[in-house]
Amino acid sequence: GAVVSQHPSRVICKSGTSVKIECRSLDFQATTMFWYRQFPKQSLMLMATSNEGSKATYEQGVEKDKFLINHASLTLSTLTVTSAHPEDSSFYICSARDQRERFNEQFFGPGTRLTVL
Amino acid sequence: RKEVEQDPGPFNVPEGATVAFNCTYSNSASQSFFWYRQDCRKEPKLLMSVYSSGNEDGRFTAQLNRASQYISLLIRDSKLSDSATYLCVVRRSNDYKLSFGAGTTVTVRA
Repeated sequence: GAVVSQHPSRVICKSGTSVKIECRSLDFQATTMFWYRQFPKQSLMLMATSNEGSKATYEQGVEKDKFLINHASLTLSTLTVTSAHPEDSSFYICSARDQRERFNEQFFGPGTRLTVL
Repeated sequence: RKEVEQDPGPFNVPEGATVAFNCTYSNSASQSFFWYRQDCRKEPKLLMSVYSSGNEDGRFTAQLNRASQYISLLIRDSKLSDSATYLCVVRRSNDYKLSFGAGTTVTVRA
């Protein structure tokens, strides 16, 4: 099946710093990637939809100036958590849709666990 | 009201047992339905899609009831490796966005 990677897998940072998370589709092209956040014992919540070559669309309640998304190529989307605070500590997961795939399945990256001290 | 609701469990069952659980969704315009499996601290992985007529994949059987807006998953002959959190996932219309339930935890004991 299709492979999606994320980097880093885990990051610990001080409050106020910015953290960049990369999401790559390794063996397919993804015009659309999705960014999710999951708090402990809760469901994955869609944060934003990342479209190659255009601005991301954010879900209601997600601050676009805090969570910067860049989708510069068909295989890479980045999420930057700016001025991170402890409440931003969470599991961030990206997914990518293979545009050629008939059923439009989304393939998930392994996730990035962010801890803000 | 949450878009997708699931019984969180946990369901603790012995090996070989059958376990079944449901989820409900609120958006009647939802187009596609899935069960994903998520192991602790890992990403979700697609277990199976759910079709209107119901479908089976080995020991797993999924059912969809559009009238009542619920989806079910049944696991027969449970294995230890089936221990995981099962996520009910609904795709809204045709924009490819997925809505996730919080998951049902299943623990299969020896």
